[in-house]
Amino acid sequence: KQEVTQIPAALSVPEGENLVLNCSFTDSAIYNLQWFRQDPGKGLTSLLLIQSSQREQTSGRLNASLDKSSGRSTLYIAASQPGDSATYLCAVTSRKSGQNFVFGPGTRLSVLP
Amino acid sequence: EPEVTQTPSHQVTQMGQEVILRCVPISNHLYFYWYRQILGQKVEFLVSFYNNEISEKSEIFDDQFSVERPDGSNFTLKIRSTKLEDSAMYFCASTRLSGRGDVGIQYFGAGTRLSVL
Repeated sequence: KQEVTQIPAALSVPEGENLVLNCSFTDSAIYNLQWFRQDPGKGLTSLLLIQSSQREQTSGRLNASLDKSSGRSTLYIAASQPGDSATYLCAVTSRKSGQNFVFGPGTRLSVLP
Repeated sequence: EPEVTQTPSHQVTQMGQEVILRCVPISNHLYFYWYRQILGQKVEFLVSFYNNEISEKSEIFDDQFSVERPDGSNFTLKIRSTKLEDSAMYFCASTRLSGRGDVGIQYFGAGTRLSVL
């Protein structure tokens, strides 16, 4: 059974800092890894998708990397802004889960002005 | 930007009542999903649907749940007799698994908050 964990559970940083969010998964035979953003009480916004053949993806100030052999992904946020405050979720599809995402518990990020 | 739409945004029901949650997936997507998130917990997979039949389902998706694509655009989740523990946010998602571009990306709707009293 695929298990996904995320550390830290919560993070509070001053505006302008660069930061890294971590995601770990137990089954390294993954198909896709997707990072999402969730605002309180809201839906899930897709940020980046990394396919199993890729090592990283970039979108604006966001960069996600994937290391299948160690079962890890990181989401790097450059020059953080108060508007980045949200919960960031990592989700994985893999041989054990099929095409269905297994989600991590999320990292709750607060960027202070 | 294509989007998945869900209605209603909030549904309040009495225990034992039937509810139907509705989703309109992105038009050229063929693979559909329902997930749920109990308050304060992880998002959990319920069921996937492809080619007018269930592709996979989790142990959560018991006989009380059913899914249907009644026409060319809607995708519904029915809970026959709701329980208190069914209270959660229910998310619909869709994806296309072939072609170019955003293949594999699951697009999620804004969710339906179900409150069972």
